[in-house]
Amino acid sequence: GAGVSQTPSNKVTEKGKYVELRCDPISGHTALYWYRQSLGQGPEFLIYFQGTGAADDSGLPNDRFFAVRPEGSVSTLKIQRTERGDSAVYLCASSFGPPLRENLDEQFFGPGTRLTVL
Amino acid sequence: AQSVTQLGSHVSVSEGALVLLRCNYSSSVPPYLFWYVQYPNQGLQLLLKYTTGATLVKGINGFEAEFKKSETSFHLTKPSAHMSDAAEYFCALWGDSSYKLIFGSGTRLLVRP
Repeated sequence: GAGVSQTPSNKVTEKGKYVELRCDPISGHTALYWYRQSLGQGPEFLIYFQGTGAADDSGLPNDRFFAVRPEGSVSTLKIQRTERGDSAVYLCASSFGPPLRENLDEQFFGPGTRLTVL
Repeated sequence: AQSVTQLGSHVSVSEGALVLLRCNYSSSVPPYLFWYVQYPNQGLQLLLKYTTGATLVKGINGFEAEFKKSETSFHLTKPSAHMSDAAEYFCALWGDSSYKLIFGSGTRLLVRP
């Protein structure tokens, strides 16, 4: 079956522009996560969706970043007024169920979108 | 506060040699620990995980890791390296009431022929 897919694979934009990054999770997965991976670093959590709602957005760096998941499947990460410091690989992951201590489902990661802000 | 530290951003071994990638953690609650591998232009793939129970965990591709609470460590090992093991490896922690995985900065494994 298909894994997590992300589009585009690469995005180059100019400082100040708006970008949207898309994530298609594995079919049937209710939990969806966004992470950001800067050069030479591990992924850093941005936001977690359970169904359509953002259960935890504590990792979003500021109000230029926003994410939606209107139908509980596909998610879009939106970045307004991009800055050079936003350049990174944005990773999406999904899991079958919510992250519960008594039953922690594996997170499956997509290949990422490499965002370059010039 | 929770954190993960991976010692050595690069590790180089000869093909057939022992692989040892180090991971230390800090957590105020019993941690769940993970090792992921990332090949170029591919997503992170779970190698193995420790939640509860047996402290020696076996994963895919011949890798294993041992949870040592007294040393706050979860080092990844493989008895004999293959060329195909060359990749970046990430240790990750999940432990408190939040929903996020906390990753280390990664170790790039180079395998020399």
